[in-house]
Amino acid sequence: NAGVMQNPRHLVRRRGQEARLRCSPMKGHSHVYWYRQLPEEGLKFMVYLQKENIIDESGMPKERFSAEFPKEGPSILRIQQVVRGDSAAYFCASSPEREMYNEQFFGPGTRLTVL
Amino acid sequence: DQQVKQNSPSLSVQEGRISILNCDYTNSMFDYFLWYKKYPAEGPTFLISISSIKDKNEDGRFTVFLNKSAKHLSLHIVPSQPGDSAVYFCAAISNFGNEKLTFGTGTRLTIIP
Repeated sequence: NAGVMQNPRHLVRRRGQEARLRCSPMKGHSHVYWYRQLPEEGLKFMVYLQKENIIDESGMPKERFSAEFPKEGPSILRIQQVVRGDSAAYFCASSPEREMYNEQFFGPGTRLTVL
Repeated sequence: DQQVKQNSPSLSVQEGRISILNCDYTNSMFDYFLWYKKYPAEGPTFLISISSIKDKNEDGRFTVFLNKSAKHLSLHIVPSQPGDSAVYFCAAISNFGNEKLTFGTGTRLTIIP
């Protein structure tokens, strides 16, 4: 049973370009979360999605950032017109349908560097 | 506003001894707590969790203690092993928070052989 997959592992973009980060949850998991870790900081929640629905996007910047989790295919975190401050590690996590609370399983992350 | 705090950025412990990592929180709506371990260039790995209705949960070498009145939890690792060297994050979930994790800033644990 493969774990959470993220690609690319490393992404370099110049200011003003677009970044697309992909996340495939674990098999059977229908909940996806995106977190961002800035250097020397903890992970910060960005967005929580279920298939075709954004449940909570309270941690995501209002501009330039968007996320989707389509019926088929991976979840995508899209950053338009990247700036240097977007350089960070972006982690995706997934969890199954919950009875109560479930642990979240994390992918290896995508390290975005904006030049 | 850091709702989950890990005040020790780093900790060094002799192999075989007990490692104690601490975490404090301010949000009284948090009712489920988790510890994650993270190696460089990898994603966090779940270690152990505890519900607010309990004050202790044990899993092998790992034990988490929760003191609700003090809004404090701790992770005990005994005996500590070299492979335990990593960054440890405390995280919390609010019962109204759609299960989003609120993380602390992490403690880097180094086990000295």
